[in-house]
Amino acid sequence: AQSVSQHNHHVILSEAASLELGCNYSYGGTVNLFWYVQYPGQHLQLLLKYFSGDPLVKGIKGFEAEFIKSKFSFNLRKPSVQWSDTAEYFCAVSNYGQNFVFGPGTRLSVLP
Amino acid sequence: DTAVSQTPKYLVTQMGNDKSIKCEQNLGHDTMYWYKQDSKKFLKIMFSYNNKELIINETVPNRFSPKSPDKAHLNLHINSLELGDSAVYFCASSHPERGNEKLFFGSGTQLSVL
Repeated sequence: AQSVSQHNHHVILSEAASLELGCNYSYGGTVNLFWYVQYPGQHLQLLLKYFSGDPLVKGIKGFEAEFIKSKFSFNLRKPSVQWSDTAEYFCAVSNYGQNFVFGPGTRLSVLP
Repeated sequence: DTAVSQTPKYLVTQMGNDKSIKCEQNLGHDTMYWYKQDSKKFLKIMFSYNNKELIINETVPNRFSPKSPDKAHLNLHINSLELGDSAVYFCASSHPERGNEKLFFGSGTQLSVL
């Protein structure tokens, strides 16, 4: 069975600080990897996704993530966070889009 | 136009009642889901339907019964509501086409059981 873990429950940063959120998954086969963001009071929205090819993927709002197959990791990064990035971030894995499994989420608080 | 719409947005009810949440998607997707998000924001899949057929049924009490009249709709009926059912329920859809999978979420239904 697939499972996803995220390293941090709650991350607090000041504006302009760099961000890295860890994500590890367990699954023996080919997977697709995603990061979703949930702004306060809203539904989940896709930040970026990895299917194949270049392991460094770029998403919206300056976010990027790197897939490291040997480490089963898909960490999310942003060089300089803004107050508006305050949200809950979810890593997810799917096998051909029929079963999406989410990590427990990481709450990011950016202080102005 | 809303891609995945669910109603109602808020639902407040007493313990023991029966309630339904409706979900519709206009994306032409084959697969629809119900997720439950608890107070700690943990997101857990409950059910998944593909072309009206149940393909995932996680360990959910049988008080929860999904119904898919067609592939654009997946409704969730809950019998004998309990306090622990209070959560936000998200409907989602996806099209399992290689290279284009992603989940589209509805805006959520916040269920409060008193």
